[in-house]
Amino acid sequence: QKEVEQDPGPLSVPEGAIVSLNCTYSNSAFQYFMWYRQYSRKGPELLMYTYSSGNKEDGRFTAQVDKSSKYISLFIRDSQPSDSATYLCAMSETGANSKLTFGKGITLSVRP
Amino acid sequence: DGGITQSPKYLFRKEGQNVTLSCEQNLNHDAMYWYRQDPGQGLRLIYYSQIVNDFQKGDIAEGYSVSREKKESFPLTVTSAQKNPTAFYLCASSIDAGTETQYFGPGTRLLVL
Repeated sequence: QKEVEQDPGPLSVPEGAIVSLNCTYSNSAFQYFMWYRQYSRKGPELLMYTYSSGNKEDGRFTAQVDKSSKYISLFIRDSQPSDSATYLCAMSETGANSKLTFGKGITLSVRP
Repeated sequence: DGGITQSPKYLFRKEGQNVTLSCEQNLNHDAMYWYRQDPGQGLRLIYYSQIVNDFQKGDIAEGYSVSREKKESFPLTVTSAQKNPTAFYLCASSIDAGTETQYFGPGTRLLVL
């Protein structure tokens, strides 16, 4: 089993839909969880950052972490065509020298 | 305006040639990273540096080399030993090695002629 699994997609939704993106992981030592958004031919940009379990909301975006199930989610409300991008989950253990482990990414297309 | 710059945007390599990708940051970050991204794959860590004059191999270091002579610069050389170099290369930095949040540059796409 890979350390981080992410639904491969692609995913296509109509404008205004609620989008749910998910990752599962196997390493129980992961404490920090991130979602990056990557537009085509660009570098990833940090979208959401969460420590341990719980929810975090930022505008139309909500990140959810369930450490007991080793499952993280990113919800996008009222999706817009500008949300069309690849979304990568990433996570790391705590402490110095911790490295990020990335999911493979899922490409989202929001149709006008 | 702080950030990470990578150059060139596109790079072409001939057989047997070494090429160097540039990465510069003016964020005053201690830690810098190089990743490789292939279609359908996640980001894979090539090398990382926690501090000037120090660097460690990542998961796929074979065929690559780096240097960290200045805090703001972390160039990556793709050597002729790297047999499959065609990929999108991303440089990132973080405040220090214990900080999980990494910020990425715009990337360099390397193609083999």
